[in-house]
Parts: sequence; structure tokens; C-alpha cells
Amino acid sequence: SYDLTQPPSLSVSPGQTAIITCSGDKLGDKYAFWYQQKPGQSPVLVIYQDTKRPSGIPERFSASNSGNTATLTISGTQAMDEADYYCQAWHRGIAFFGTGTRVTVV
Amino acid sequence: DVQLVESGGGLVQSGMSLTLSCAASGFAFEDHVMHWVRQPPGKGLEWVSRIDWRSDTLVYADSVRGRFTISRDNAKRTLYLQMNSLRTEDTAFYYCASQANGDYSQNPIDSWGQGTLVTVSS
Repeated sequence: SYDLTQPPSLSVSPGQTAIITCSGDKLGDKYAFWYQQKPGQSPVLVIYQDTKRPSGIPERFSASNSGNTATLTISGTQAMDEADYYCQAWHRGIAFFGTGTRVTVV
Repeated sequence: DVQLVESGGGLVQSGMSLTLSCAASGFAFEDHVMHWVRQPPGKGLEWVSRIDWRSDTLVYADSVRGRFTISRDNAKRTLYLQMNSLRTEDTAFYYCASQANGDYSQNPIDSWGQGTLVTVSS
């Protein structure tokens, strides 16, 4: 097994920066992926290979991964960014998801 | 556009079996690794299984190994999940998802279906 721990929740004001952490043993030695999931919808990939944004994902989404922690940063957070965010990494051939962070824009 | 459409979910009693299907369109199905990921209502994501394009490599989460079987039919562009000996803890939305061929640890799982709900009652 491989545990990826995220803070359960995060509140951010519109226009401010949201920083979501994902902690796992030697996570920096693996690629980290990030998914956004809005209520009633399927997950959407927002970051892959630690730092890359798929086409269509706004530039305000950025990320890093080093040591035991991967970080997703949402700069200039908008109301539409309110969602659950999950990190994901591979360990011994199996995909593991983080515990998830609910971002509330208030 | 990529489309993944799951079907086959429903209410089943503990110990029984169920088979999920996922119909793919809009991309080269045979060039993609396919996955099942589940999510209990109101809870987080849990990866279930993956199958490579030739069905040579089948990998399962510990929680389902020995009970679930993943398979695919490239001619029909369809992914399957045979679920046996179902338990109440298998209750979840089941999503199929795709990943480009290559190094599974590098390529993203980048397209997801809308999910199908499996409810296992005691």
C-alpha cells in the first residue's frame, strides 16, 4: 500500500491563492498527477507529470513535486474552481489516490 | 470527442455477481490502457484495475484481487469488469478511464466516463 495524505478542506477568497499539499513517502521520486472533481461530475485531469497542464486547463493551475510532497497551486482562484482535488501517483504498478481536498471559494 | 459510457450498474445482494461495461468512442481504443476507478458515494477515489491494449497485463487493487476480472474487446471497443463475491464495501460509482499506451507511471489517466453506480446490499 502507499498512502497519499491531503488536507481535508481549504477555504480561499476569490482572487487569492489556494495551495493544496499531497504527502507520500518519497513522492518526489514518482510522477504526481492532480484531478479536479466537481459535485456530480467525473474527475478531470488538471496536472500530469508533476507540472504539466493538459490543453484547456487554465494557467492559474500550477504544481510542483519534491521530497515527500507534491503541491497544487491555484493562483487567482475563481468561483468555478470550487471542487474536490485529488493527487495520484503510481507505486509498484498500482495507482493510489490522495485522500482528497475540498476547496471552497468564499 | 472522447466518449466513455459505462453501463451495468445496479442493486445486487452481497455475494452475488455483476458485470460492468464501458463503451468507448472518439479515440483509438486499441492504443490505450484502460482502467476502472471507483468512488463510494461521498468518499474519495480508489483505483480498481488496469488492462493493457493487448490484454497481456492485468493489474488489480488488493481490495478486489481474486474477485474482480477486467477484460476488453478491442473489436467492440468495450471494456468490462466482472465482479464476483460482491461485498457491501464494493458499493460505489464505477468509472472507466483511459490512458495512452506507454509507461503507465508517466502517462496520465486523462479521460473518464460518467460512472455507473453499484449498490451491494446485505
